Amino acid sequence: GAVVSQHPSRVICKSGTSVKIECRSLDFQATTMFWYRQFPKQSLMLMATSNEGSKATYEQGVEKDKFLINHASLTLSTLTVTSAHPEDSSFYICSAREGSGGLGSNEQFFGPGTRLTVL
Amino acid sequence: QQPVQSPQAVILREGEDAVINCSSSKALYSVHWYRQKHGEAPVFLMILLKGGEQKGHDKISASFNEKKQQSSLYLTASQLSYSGTYFCGTEGTGGSYIPTFGRGTSLIVHP
Repeated sequence: GAVVSQHPSRVICKSGTSVKIECRSLDFQATTMFWYRQFPKQSLMLMATSNEGSKATYEQGVEKDKFLINHASLTLSTLTVTSAHPEDSSFYICSAREGSGGLGSNEQFFGPGTRLTVL
Repeated sequence: QQPVQSPQAVILREGEDAVINCSSSKALYSVHWYRQKHGEAPVFLMILLKGGEQKGHDKISASFNEKKQQSSLYLTASQLSYSGTYFCGTEGTGGSYIPTFGRGTSLIVHP
């Protein structure tokens, strides 16, 4: 299957700092990338959907100014958590899809996740 | 709307079978199944498109009944490696093609 990488895998930061997480599709071009956060023993909560070259679409309740998403190329999307606070501590997972869905809807391939801890 | 998975948890012995169900209140275009091990990202298992598909590989298979807006994942002769949390993701027919994930079903396989 296709490979998606995330960097860093784990980050610990002080409250008030910003953290950038990178998501890369290594062997395919990702038309669409998704960003999720997952709390312990809970489901994947979609934060935003990003298409290459256009602004991300955020889910209701997700602050655009706090979670900045950039999908600069077909293989790279970044999530920046600005002015992080302890309540932002979570497991952040990206996924990438080659197509835009619909006919021949393509499966999503998930990155390994980034565990963020804000002190 | 989030699909509903049942049961919430299953505990099996090696070699036993299990069925995990996923149902939605909206018309579905596709259903995806993933398995997630603790501390790791979900791994894609299979996708089923509308048309009443059945798919399978190895001893894991799934069916999709679009009329009932339901999908079931069948694990046959379970192995220790099957342990994990299974999520279904559903795409509606509204055209957004953005999967929504269920709460997950925890599967524990004992020797």
